[in-house]
Amino acid sequence: EVQLVESGGGLVQPGGSLRLSCAASGFTVSSNYMSWVRQAPGKGLEWVSVIYSGGSTYYADSVKGRFTISRDNSKNTLYLQMNSLRAEDTAVYYCARDSDYYDSSGYPLGSDYWGQGTLVTVSS
Amino acid sequence: AIRMTQSPSSLSASTGDRVTITCRASQGISSYLAWYQQKPGKAPKLLIYAASTLQSGVPSRFSGSGSGTDFTLTISCLQSEDFATYYCQQYYSYPQNTFGQGTKLEIK
Repeated sequence: EVQLVESGGGLVQPGGSLRLSCAASGFTVSSNYMSWVRQAPGKGLEWVSVIYSGGSTYYADSVKGRFTISRDNSKNTLYLQMNSLRAEDTAVYYCARDSDYYDSSGYPLGSDYWGQGTLVTVSS
Repeated sequence: AIRMTQSPSSLSASTGDRVTITCRASQGISSYLAWYQQKPGKAPKLLIYAASTLQSGVPSRFSGSGSGTDFTLTISCLQSEDFATYYCQQYYSYPQNTFGQGTKLEIK
């Protein structure tokens, strides 16, 4: 059974740092495209970052230069290092496995498994 | 960035009703569209991908259609467990995926 379990959220002051973890089971993180998606309180979903199976990484403009996505293959775990945090980064952060069904260009067809989310609050 | 616009933003319906939610892309995205269901305090759940393909395990009362810029999600006979918020997502510009703002489906 595929499971994703996030941890590492909490309260942090503006300008601070936090590292989120997403422990996976039932599949191999390094074999899939893995994403982080966030949801500000009462708001919609916003894609944050992705790491390809080959290791390439991409970021939303809103977090580029401040956040870093990575994975530890030995632990089958995905990470999101968040630096220089701002009030507008306050959100529930979800990790998601991008589908292992691909389109003709080789890109995943949606995100088929999601973690339960972890809340990050940036406030003084 | 490709902008996704859903309508309506909220919708009231009764169990047994047929409902349709619309999603419009700011530019053509072929069939690179997914639909998600989210219940309060829970993670999104993938319902449909490639605009019209039902994810495994999703009830057949859910269906999707459209291509290019205009898409619909239809629930043919609402059940109590279907009251939730629904999001469309384009992945034409993967990895710069974007979501619609959501449609909240409430009990009338």
